[in-house]
Amino acid sequence: EIVLTQSPGTLSLSPGERATLSCRASQSVSSSYLAWYQQKPGQAPRLLIYSASSRATGIPDRFSGSGSGTDFTLTISRLEPEDFAVYYCQQYGTSPLTFGPGTKVDIK
Amino acid sequence: QVQLVQSGSELKKPGASVKVSCKASGYTFSSYSMNWVRQAPGQGLEWMGWINTNTGNLEYAQGFTGRFVFSLDTSVTTAYLQISTLKAEDTAVYYCARYSSSWYAFDMWGQGTMVTVSS
Repeated sequence: EIVLTQSPGTLSLSPGERATLSCRASQSVSSSYLAWYQQKPGQAPRLLIYSASSRATGIPDRFSGSGSGTDFTLTISRLEPEDFAVYYCQQYGTSPLTFGPGTKVDIK
Repeated sequence: QVQLVQSGSELKKPGASVKVSCKASGYTFSSYSMNWVRQAPGQGLEWMGWINTNTGNLEYAQGFTGRFVFSLDTSVTTAYLQISTLKAEDTAVYYCARYSSSWYAFDMWGQGTMVTVSS
């Protein structure tokens, strides 16, 4: 099983600042199979990024993904008030599908 | 529009069973597999497995065999999750999620169904 580790656990930032979230895999993941989701309290997760760097439909361009192999990054260029949420990475290159534990981005 | 609508919250006693439904609309049901994801209170996302909506083939993740059953009724474009012999630790929100084989990701999620197991 591929274990995904996300860091930091919590990121405290102010609106307008840049957020950099990390997702590290225990073994190499094909970039095609790495996705990022956003989850707000009481809501279902929402797909942000697929194939490591492609934005899903309707996702603003302040969200970007990068990385390969075992190290992946989600960057939010300038935080908007609605971006404060929990972010999960997920891989499906190898069964079982696994999620990282999440990074909470909260308001400083 | 494309949507997955799940059944409402459930309160069950230990040992009982529950069946959660996930009604799909706005797309060709058999073109996308359906997955189930569990989220215990205050915890992260845990993949339970998936069902092929075209063939009915199944895969259960480790820890979700035996008491958990995925099924379909294609005539009403609905997927189901049944959990038997409920335990307190089954208390969680259960999500259905459509898997895009083009994007290798879950591109649509149901709103979630809260299942509470308490005596």
